Amino acid sequence: EAGVAQSPRYKIIEKRQSVAFWCNPISGHATLYWYQQILGQGPKLLIQFQNNGVVDDSQLPKDRFSAERLKGVDSTLKIQPAKLEDSAVYLCASSLGDERYGYTFGSGTRLTVV
Amino acid sequence: GDSVTQMEGPVTLSEEAFLTINCTYTATGYPSLFWYVQYPGEGLQLLLKATKADDKGSNKGFEATYRKETTSFHLEKGSVQVSDSAVYFCALSGYNFNKFYFGSGTKLNVKP
Repeated sequence: EAGVAQSPRYKIIEKRQSVAFWCNPISGHATLYWYQQILGQGPKLLIQFQNNGVVDDSQLPKDRFSAERLKGVDSTLKIQPAKLEDSAVYLCASSLGDERYGYTFGSGTRLTVV
Repeated sequence: GDSVTQMEGPVTLSEEAFLTINCTYTATGYPSLFWYVQYPGEGLQLLLKATKADDKGSNKGFEATYRKETTSFHLEKGSVQVSDSAVYFCALSGYNFNKFYFGSGTKLNVKP
C-alpha cells in the first residue's frame, strides 16, 4: 500500500512569513495526526483528526497554527506568521483508529525559519 | 499522566556489539508499547510493538519485552550493524488508544 505522503520535503522561510504543509494519509485511514519534532526531541502532537473532525488540538498554538482536513482525507497545516522557534520537522501520521498497533508516519517536512 | 523515559544518547558501539536502549514508562491501565526508528532525513518507522504484558516484539534482529512489573520495554539487539545507526524512540499508546506518547529519542552510532 502507498504510504503517508507529505509535501514539501523542505521549506525555508523568513520569520513572519506564512507557510503551509500538505499530507495525504494512507487510503482508508480515518485518523490523521500532525506532529512537530524539534531537533533532538521526540515528536509532539499538534492536532489529531478523526475523519474531518478535530479530536485533540490542545497543544496547537492556535494564535499562529491552523489545520484542516478536507473531506476527511487530505490535510493541511498552516503557520502564519512563522517564528524562529517553529523551525522543526512536521510529521504527518495516519492510522485506522486503533493505536494499539501503532501508526504510519510520512517522511516529514523540514521547516527552517530564518 | 502517561509518559515515557528513555536513556539519553548518543550511544556509540562498534559493529557486532550488543545493544541495549532502556525505556521505562508510566501509564494508567494497560498501554501498548512501541519502538520507532528514524533514519537520517526520514520519518519515523515502526520497528516493533507489544500490546500486552510479557509480549515480546521483534523485527530485524531487534527485540523488546513488555515488562509490567518493572514498567519497562528495553530494546536489544545481539549484533549491531553500521546500517542500524539511527535515532530510536520508545512510545506508548494510552489505555484509551487515542493518545500516543514518545520518549525523547536515543541516537545510536555504530562504527565499522
